[in-house]
Amino acid sequence: GAVVSQHPSWVICKSGTSVKIECRSLDFQATTMFWYRQFPKQSLMLMATSNEGSKATYEQGVEKDKFLINHASLTLSTLTVTSAHPEDSSFYICSGRSPPMDEQFFGPGTRLTVL
Amino acid sequence: QKEVEQNSGPLSVPEGAIASLNCTYSDRGSQSFFWYRQYSGKSPELIMFIYSNGDKEDGRFTAQLNKASQYVSLLIRDSQPSDSATYLCAVRTGTASKLTFGTGTRLQVTL
Repeated sequence: GAVVSQHPSWVICKSGTSVKIECRSLDFQATTMFWYRQFPKQSLMLMATSNEGSKATYEQGVEKDKFLINHASLTLSTLTVTSAHPEDSSFYICSGRSPPMDEQFFGPGTRLTVL
Repeated sequence: QKEVEQNSGPLSVPEGAIASLNCTYSDRGSQSFFWYRQYSGKSPELIMFIYSNGDKEDGRFTAQLNKASQYVSLLIRDSQPSDSATYLCAVRTGTASKLTFGTGTRLQVTL
């Protein structure tokens, strides 16, 4: 399958700071990228969908001003958690898709801990 | 009713047995069906996808789709301890870009 990378794999930050997570599709052009969050022992929760060059579409209940998503190229999307708080501590996972290819491939995830 | 439903398990099967994982979906317009495996602390990994009614085999895995009954299943033959993970069913409906995931079934393969 296609390869998606994420950086960093884990990050610890202080409350109130901002954290940027990068997601790259390494061997395909991800026209569409998705950002998920997963709390321990819970299911995946889709946060937003982004198409290259367009504004992201956020799921209900996800604050777009807090979770800034940029998808400026076909191989790179970034998620910035602004003014992070301990309740934002979670496992953040991106995935990419290149229509008409139907499969969606996940990155390895970024574990965020906010102190 | 949830859009994609899975039994949370755990489903426990002995090594070498067949594990059968089931998933039902509510939207008859669903067209693409995916199975992902997720190990604890890791991200989901695509195992198989299926579009047409019937069976699709890939190694020890077989996906089965029945659109009339709105269910999709995953069979794992000769189950190994390394198959112990959570299996996520995902569905794409129509031209929608995003996948709708079930909550996953945790599989335990015992020695």
